[in-house]
Amino acid sequence: QSVLTQPPSASGTPGQRVTISCSGGSSNIGGNTVSWHQQLPGSAPKLLIYSNYQRPSGVPDRFSGSKSGTSASLAISGLQSEDEAEYYCVSWDDNVNAYVFGTGTTVTVL
Amino acid sequence: EVHLVESGGGLVQPGRSLRLSCVASGFSLGNYAMHWVRQPPGEGLQWVSGITWNSGRIDYADSVRGRFTISRDNAKNSLYLQMTSLRPEDTALYYCAKDDSGSYWGIDHWGQGTLVTVSS
Repeated sequence: QSVLTQPPSASGTPGQRVTISCSGGSSNIGGNTVSWHQQLPGSAPKLLIYSNYQRPSGVPDRFSGSKSGTSASLAISGLQSEDEAEYYCVSWDDNVNAYVFGTGTTVTVL
Repeated sequence: EVHLVESGGGLVQPGRSLRLSCVASGFSLGNYAMHWVRQPPGEGLQWVSGITWNSGRIDYADSVRGRFTISRDNAKNSLYLQMTSLRPEDTALYYCAKDDSGSYWGIDHWGQGTLVTVSS
């Protein structure tokens, strides 16, 4: 199954802005919406962003999403220690009729 | 509050079968599509299968098609995954996940997972 490509890691100091990219193709990101999920160590994933840029209630506005063409991005502004987690993008793929997840990005707060 | 509780995981020999269950509470399962997503130890998330609200559409990842069967019982607020011909590479934490709509729109809630270990 195809996957979406994310950088393996990203880091920043408290208060900084960190951006995570998610690269796909025309059959997934290019034609469908993107969601982002946060997985804290030892926990189940949690929805962070849906429909490319929408935030569920309760998610701080420090988290923002965007999409352009066949790529998407998650930005975390005002980085906090509790943001240390694994982040995954996901989109439906019309070629394989399956959801495809990104490879995951580990965010570290220095 | 949405609550998803998986069960049925365990240690199983290669080639054998296992049935996972997921009981939902806090919402009416019959109104939403549902998914199974797995995570091998130390690895990323892998979508396994999805089913629309009325079972009218069912999809599988290539890696499990023909071996796994997803089903649901809306009256019992339950989702199932029948896994046959299990392989060591099926070893993973299996999550039950709720979609945001009756068809496929995107996962909005996750269970805590049930661990499946395939080994002789």
